[in-house]
Amino acid sequence: DQQVKQNSPSLSVQEGRISILNCDYTNSMFDYFLWYKKYPAEGPTFLISISSIKDKNEDGRFTVFLNKSAKHLSLHIVPSQPGDSAVYFCAAVFSGSRLTFGEGTQLTVNP
Amino acid sequence: DADVTQTPRNRITKTGKRIMLECSQTKGHDRMYWYRQDPGLGLRLIYYSFDVKDINKGEISDGYSVSRQAQAKFSLSLESAIPNQTALYFCATSDLNRGLDNEQFFGPGTRLTVL
Repeated sequence: DQQVKQNSPSLSVQEGRISILNCDYTNSMFDYFLWYKKYPAEGPTFLISISSIKDKNEDGRFTVFLNKSAKHLSLHIVPSQPGDSAVYFCAAVFSGSRLTFGEGTQLTVNP
Repeated sequence: DADVTQTPRNRITKTGKRIMLECSQTKGHDRMYWYRQDPGLGLRLIYYSFDVKDINKGEISDGYSVSRQAQAKFSLSLESAIPNQTALYFCATSDLNRGLDNEQFFGPGTRLTVL
């Protein structure tokens, strides 16, 4: 049973435009959410996170939005750059549990 | 120098062989994890360890074993490799004491192929 789902395996956007990556979860106990970015031949690296007590967290070009009632979070990248091309994983956790990852979304930013 | 290293980076082996993947970290973190990544399935937790004397099964531990030889070292063994264990394997660390338990730091991965 996939508790964290990223329904879009891939996303392609033009440089300078907004990239929106989506993630849905089913477990209402999750209270902390993270996004990781992965380049080929490298391990995932932490990008941004959000606690369930917030609905938005911003870090430079990256903003994560959380909609608890819909059990949905999204990552916005504005403006998108070619160097943002990578696989993005969302992950969720609750106290005492381990991280649960989504399947990943391949983002391609075209020059 | 990388904070989390994995050896080997690539390995091809045959069905039935025993294989060990090794992970070392210089971050001084207390917690270490082993994941596998398969296309369309994301990262799935195999085993994790909160300190040297602590070993816990993850969601897909069957066919695998681990050893935490020291705080800095965490090895993953495939006792008798089978083709469906062909995957990309990642080691990760985190540190509860520094409030970084949820943020995990990953190694570069080991690509394992079982023929």
